[in-house]
Amino acid sequence: QVQLQESGPGLVKPSETLSLTCAVSGYSISSGYYWGWIRQPPGKGLEWIGSIYHSGSTYYNPSLKSRVTISVDTSKNQFSLKLSSVTAADTAVYYCARQMVATILGGYYFDYWGQGTLVTVSS
Amino acid sequence: SYVLTQPPSVSVAPGQTARITCGGNNIGSKSVHWYQQKPGQAPVLVVYDDSDRPSGIPERFSGSNSGNTATLTISRVEAGDEADYYCQVWDSSSDLPVVFGGGTKLTVL
Repeated sequence: QVQLQESGPGLVKPSETLSLTCAVSGYSISSGYYWGWIRQPPGKGLEWIGSIYHSGSTYYNPSLKSRVTISVDTSKNQFSLKLSSVTAADTAVYYCARQMVATILGGYYFDYWGQGTLVTVSS
Repeated sequence: SYVLTQPPSVSVAPGQTARITCGGNNIGSKSVHWYQQKPGQAPVLVVYDDSDRPSGIPERFSGSNSGNTATLTISRVEAGDEADYYCQVWDSSSDLPVVFGGGTKLTVL
């Protein structure tokens, strides 16, 4: 069974960098698939942040691209998110998820999710 | 970027059928995926590739997709189905390829 677990500070000061890690168990990241980050502000919907392939290839939400870096550490079977220059608008529950290939018309969906971690941006 | 439109809320009595729609321009040409999210929990995939169910998801959950509307249908609704439901597509022509709908709150009366 694939399991994902987010970890990182729950409180980040404005203008600082948010850093989260997603540890994967039950599946080797090196074996394939994209791995993604999604966030959800309190009381709002889901927003995709970006994704990374096991090789390190990445793509990001254009609205966040200038502030986001996603990296992978296959030796630790984990991938990470850094979001710089945070503001209160970045307060959200952050989820990591495995990105699965859609078989019929292409594209991707998220089949396994972490439990999520709340990150609050406040001084 | 591609836009997915969901009704904010749907209400249904126990035992009845709930239909949650997801509208998008020619959405029938894309694969649509659905997630269920209960309060305080992570989203759970309930339907992928328009109409397939992951292992462990009851047959009561089904999906369809044609034209400009995709639909998640929940038959014989139970109290435990009360949750937010999100549709999602992949838009390969956009620089924002992963698109979620705004979500629909399903209330079981």
